[in-house]
Amino acid sequence: QVQLQESGPGLIKPSETLSLTCTVSGASVSDDYWSWIRQTRGKGLEWIGHIYFSGRTNYNPSLESRVTILLDTSRNQFSLRMTSVTAADTAVYYCARGEDGYSHWGQGTLVTVSS
Amino acid sequence: QSALTQPASVSGSPGQSITISCNGTSSDVGSYDLVSWYQQYPGKAPKLKIYGVTKRPSGVSSRFTGARSGNTASLTISGLQPEDEAHYYCCSHGDGGSSYVFGSGTKLTVL
Repeated sequence: QVQLQESGPGLIKPSETLSLTCTVSGASVSDDYWSWIRQTRGKGLEWIGHIYFSGRTNYNPSLESRVTILLDTSRNQFSLRMTSVTAADTAVYYCARGEDGYSHWGQGTLVTVSS
Repeated sequence: QSALTQPASVSGSPGQSITISCNGTSSDVGSYDLVSWYQQYPGKAPKLKIYGVTKRPSGVSSRFTGARSGNTASLTISGLQPEDEAHYYCCSHGDGGSSYVFGSGTKLTVL
């Protein structure tokens, strides 16, 4: 049974860097695509980016300058780093598996940007 | 790139069929077979219902059907059941094949 679990701070200050980790069980991150998706109340679901097991990444053009996704095969995890956050980055952040359809999702973690 | 356009809400009675549209462009929905649909209950993660425009994952009811015509994808739910009441989102590959875009979301109410 494939499971994904997000972890990271729930509250960060404006201009700081958001860092989240997704721990995968029941599957290997050395296979398939692994994505970050967020959901805000006002804008619905937004694709942030993904990483392939080869390490190749693609990002949402609107976020690309601030986002990095990395793979840690030794821990079977992948991570999201987003710099210079503002209140507009307040959202529930999900990690997910897949390319043609996201077949497995984490439960989501709420990140609030506030001073 | 802009979100794909979905109706904000649709409704139907138990047993009826409804269709949710997902309007994109020739740069996303109209160009790639990577169109998927998700069902989301409040406070829960989305669940995949359709991928590859028309394919159903194992375990998803055959009452859920995906289709595409030109730059518009659609999700049809037949034989509506109370548990179908949820938000539904489409998603498509886009931007020259280097990113993905979600739809604006549709609230389905089962009357």
